[in-house]
Amino acid sequence: AQSVTQLDSHVSVSEGTPVLLRCNYSSSYSPSLFWYVQHPNKGLQLLLKYTSAATLVKGINGFEAEFKKSETSFHLTKPSAHMSDAAEYFCVVTAAGFQKLVFGTGTRLLVSP
Amino acid sequence: GAVVSQHPSRVICKSGTSVKIECRSLDFQATTMFWYRQFPKQSLMLMATSNEGSKATYEQGVEKDKFLINHASLTLSTLTVTSAHPEDSSFYICSADSGQGTYGYTFGSGTRLTVV
Repeated sequence: AQSVTQLDSHVSVSEGTPVLLRCNYSSSYSPSLFWYVQHPNKGLQLLLKYTSAATLVKGINGFEAEFKKSETSFHLTKPSAHMSDAAEYFCVVTAAGFQKLVFGTGTRLLVSP
Repeated sequence: GAVVSQHPSRVICKSGTSVKIECRSLDFQATTMFWYRQFPKQSLMLMATSNEGSKATYEQGVEKDKFLINHASLTLSTLTVTSAHPEDSSFYICSADSGQGTYGYTFGSGTRLTVV
């Protein structure tokens, strides 16, 4: 079975400082991993995805994530936070060939001026 | 890019009535769509997998007679909450496979259901 653990329920940063949102995964198979962002009362937008190609994945809006098999981690980073980055972020795992997405509990990113 | 339209975005209904939520893939055909439920400040929980032309597959603990899913065409899936109660109040989100499997799931913008 697959699962993800998002280690922080809330992360607060100042505008212009780096962002780190942590995610650890568990999978019996070679996983596919995703980060999605959700703004209040909105649907989900895909930020980036890892599909067993390059371990460093670049996404939209300056976000990137690194797949580390030895640490079973897929942390999301951004060098410089922007006010518009304030949202809920979900780490998601699935196994290749499986349809179901398994969501983490989410991390709320707060960005202060 | 692939777009999924979900309607309505908000609905308020009286206890005991039924509510239908639509999920449409606008520029692609989706043989598979998914319905999620999200409680306030919580993660998304998969309710059911909707397959065009066949019965939906419900997750454990989801009442199929209460949450009716119909996927009659390749571009439309509907979720009907029957005999709604206040505890059914939630945020419902659909997603569709745009043809790339899990790599290409597109989400709707969600429906906020409030049962009074």
